[in-house]
Amino acid sequence: GEDVEQSLFLSVREGDSSVINCTYTDSSSTYLYWYKQEPGAGLQLLTYIFSNMDMKQDQRLTVLLNKKDKHLSLRIADTQTGDSAIYFCAGGSYIPTFGRGTSLIVHP
Amino acid sequence: GAGVSQSPSNKVTEKGKDVELRCDPISGHTALYWYRQSLGQGLEFLIYFQGNSAPDKSGLPSDRFSAERTGGSVSTLTIQRTQQEDSAVYLCASSLAGLNQPQHFGDGTRLSIL
Repeated sequence: GEDVEQSLFLSVREGDSSVINCTYTDSSSTYLYWYKQEPGAGLQLLTYIFSNMDMKQDQRLTVLLNKKDKHLSLRIADTQTGDSAIYFCAGGSYIPTFGRGTSLIVHP
Repeated sequence: GAGVSQSPSNKVTEKGKDVELRCDPISGHTALYWYRQSLGQGLEFLIYFQGNSAPDKSGLPSDRFSAERTGGSVSTLTIQRTQQEDSAVYLCASSLAGLNQPQHFGDGTRLSIL
């Protein structure tokens, strides 16, 4: 099955860009997803990318996909304190497999 | 609202008791998933329902766990004879038909076993 790995923590200064990285093993994933989880809430779908795309931009979010290296990244431009949350990447060819999540901490 | 609804939001019970967790998916979503999220862990897949097909139960950790989905809509996850290691947040998600569709999550049920 799919295995998805993420770094556990990222700390950035408000206004800087954040880059959250993810690696996966299942090259047959049709879609790859980024979800955001705020305290006490479920996961909110942020964005997703088709496996035949290299990049997708959505306002402050940029997703980059390197299929050769099986590497996915999420860049958040002009990071704000409201972006502090846990970010999960997910993918797979069947039921999506989730990484353990990256805690993004934004400080003034 | 039109999102996935889960109840109760919090449940505290004694070890050995049975619990039932409820999930009401988005109308029109034929796929429904249950996950377990333990502190500091990712999402552990439990069970997947798709339409009238037999559910994929491959993620259920023991025979104390079961789930059903009545009328292709509301689902109930039941944990019998609860143990302390069952303490976690139980998340439900729904999606349109087809594999690897974007999932929409409820806010979860936080289960605490004393």
